[in-house]
Amino acid sequence: DIQMTQSPSSLSASVGDRVTITCRASQNINNFLSWYQQKPGEAPKVLMYAASSLQSGVPSRFSGSGSGTDFTLTISSLQPEDFATYHCQQSYSIPYSFGQGTKLEIK
Amino acid sequence: EVQLVQSGAEVKKPGESLRISCKGSGYSFTSYWIIWVRQMPGKGLEWMGRIDPDDSHTNYSPSSQGHVTISADKSVTTVYLQWSSLKASDTGIYFCARRGRTSSSPTDYWGQGTLVTVSS
Repeated sequence: DIQMTQSPSSLSASVGDRVTITCRASQNINNFLSWYQQKPGEAPKVLMYAASSLQSGVPSRFSGSGSGTDFTLTISSLQPEDFATYHCQQSYSIPYSFGQGTKLEIK
Repeated sequence: EVQLVQSGAEVKKPGESLRISCKGSGYSFTSYWIIWVRQMPGKGLEWMGRIDPDDSHTNYSPSSQGHVTISADKSVTTVYLQWSSLKASDTGIYFCARRGRTSSSPTDYWGQGTLVTVSS
């Protein structure tokens, strides 16, 4: 099975900051990588898929990049509603494993 | 409007059986996979398995294989996740979600989650 490792596990930042979260796969997954945002008590919401494709309706301050084993999610200018937990997931091979999550908190 | 509506919270004892459901509407039910994802209290997301409602073909994660069964009933556009013998470690929130069949497809719609509590 493919292991997904996110870093950092938690992050404190301020409104307006630029933030980058990293996800590393244990083997090549091409660009089959999605990012999700999850707020307490809610289901996850897809932000990015195929590593760099922005899901419809998601603000353009979110962007994704990477291919192979290393991927990043960048939020260009943090907004108050962006404080949440972010998860990456590979869809290269079943089981479609998730990273352990990155909790983004207000500094 | 695409919707996935899950059944309500359950409280069960170890060893009991359970089936929870996920009803899809607002889209072609047989054109998308349904996946199940578990979230234990305060933890990350765990992919459990998927079903293609068109032919009921399933795949499971190693940790779910043999412990849960995913099934679908096209006539009522509903997918099920069932256990024959629950364990305390099955406690968590279970989400269903829809995704396309290709590896590059997004998992774009999620159910609201079903809280399962297993306690003696």
